[in-house]
Amino acid sequence: AQTVTQSQPEMSVQEAETVTLSCTYDTSESDYYLFWYKQPPSRQMILVIRQEAYKQQNATENRFSVNFQKAAKSFSLKISDSQLGDAAMYFCAYKAGYGGATNKLIFGTGTLLAVQP
Amino acid sequence: NAGVMQNPRHLVRRRGQEARLRCSPMKGHSHVYWYRQLPEEGLKFMVYLQKENIIDESGMPKERFSAEFPKEGPSILRIQQVVRGDSAAYFCASSLSLRDSSYNSPLHFGNGTRLTVT
Repeated sequence: AQTVTQSQPEMSVQEAETVTLSCTYDTSESDYYLFWYKQPPSRQMILVIRQEAYKQQNATENRFSVNFQKAAKSFSLKISDSQLGDAAMYFCAYKAGYGGATNKLIFGTGTLLAVQP
Repeated sequence: NAGVMQNPRHLVRRRGQEARLRCSPMKGHSHVYWYRQLPEEGLKFMVYLQKENIIDESGMPKERFSAEFPKEGPSILRIQQVVRGDSAAYFCASSLSLRDSSYNSPLHFGNGTRLTVT
């Protein structure tokens, strides 16, 4: 069975600094997708960034980028120039590729990010 | 285009009562997913439905929980005879198609229903 592990329950970063959130996963499949979701206190689940496993290039979305290491099954999120609005719970998630039976996401337990002014 | 709408936002039930959680997917979406988030945990998959069909209910507890997505109207997650352990945030997500969820856009999540069982 696939699993997603986030080993950092809490992280803190100074405003304008850079922070990296860790995520590892376990799967025997070669085709899959990885996601980072942000959950602010409002509880809304917001997609931050996604990565297709078949792509070697790391995904980037403005201040957010990932370091995808397929062999190591690692998928870390880097937030550059941190802003106060980045403070939230961040979840790493895995989804089997199109050949999978369903589209269900498997989530890690989350990392609570605090941004210090 | 309104997003995924869940109601109520908060629901309080006494032990033994029934809880009904509603989810209206985004316009045109025919695939609905329910997830449960226990305190201090990530979201856990419960069930995946298409219109009038349950496709995958591998994450649903065997008893007291049921889900439906009728041809007309919202998807309903129903919990009978609630217990304190059912207290959680329940999220609904929708997508256009199986392919759409991966290639073109991710699952679209609602803001969740927080169920409190007293």
